[in-house]
Amino acid sequence: DTGVSQNPRHKITKRGQNVTFRCDPISEHNRLYWYRQTLGQGPEFLTYFQNEAQLEKSRLLSDRFSAERPKGSFSTLEIQRTEQGDSAMYLCASSRDGASTDTQYFGPGTRLTVL
Amino acid sequence: AQRVTQPEKLLSVFKGAPVELKCNYSYSGSPELFWYVQYSRQRLQLLLRHISRESIKGFTADLNKGETSFHLKKPFAQEEDSAMYYCALRRVGSYIPTFGRGTSLIVHP
Repeated sequence: DTGVSQNPRHKITKRGQNVTFRCDPISEHNRLYWYRQTLGQGPEFLTYFQNEAQLEKSRLLSDRFSAERPKGSFSTLEIQRTEQGDSAMYLCASSRDGASTDTQYFGPGTRLTVL
Repeated sequence: AQRVTQPEKLLSVFKGAPVELKCNYSYSGSPELFWYVQYSRQRLQLLLRHISRESIKGFTADLNKGETSFHLKKPFAQEEDSAMYYCALRRVGSYIPTFGRGTSLIVHP
């Protein structure tokens, strides 16, 4: 296992289009997180899954954003009707249950540019 | 609500000089504090956490609850320490960290 993977790595789209990103976590990790990072800022939490259940969503996650993790393995993040303000790096991370093993491992990110 | 402040966007030092990256937080409860690092062209990764009280790559950080700080220190900087460093806070019992905006450390030869 080479770690958390994300696809695509880069996405350029026109305003108003829908985009979908995929995250494959480390195989034994039951928790999966999505973050957004804009230039000059740290990652901002978007949403979090434990297995297939979406347990927490940030107020940053508008109605245009939806995330799924249907079988508790990979996850998708969809943005509908993209806006220029959605341009950012979208990061995925995963972790495993256990007090000493809840370290989050991050993927390389998907950079979205909305024209 | 919790907040993490990293007052310096950029810290530039020469090799062998001491380094201190500042992190202040605001949170009324008992926090868990972390430092994450992102080297050029690499993914974000955990450097250290306050509960471990460990030194990683020569870096240490002490949680000072009186000053609500968690500064990252290294006595002698190396060129390979050049990276973005993010301080993060997590409420006890939560899995979600709040990140600061990051400090870019540049170590000159």
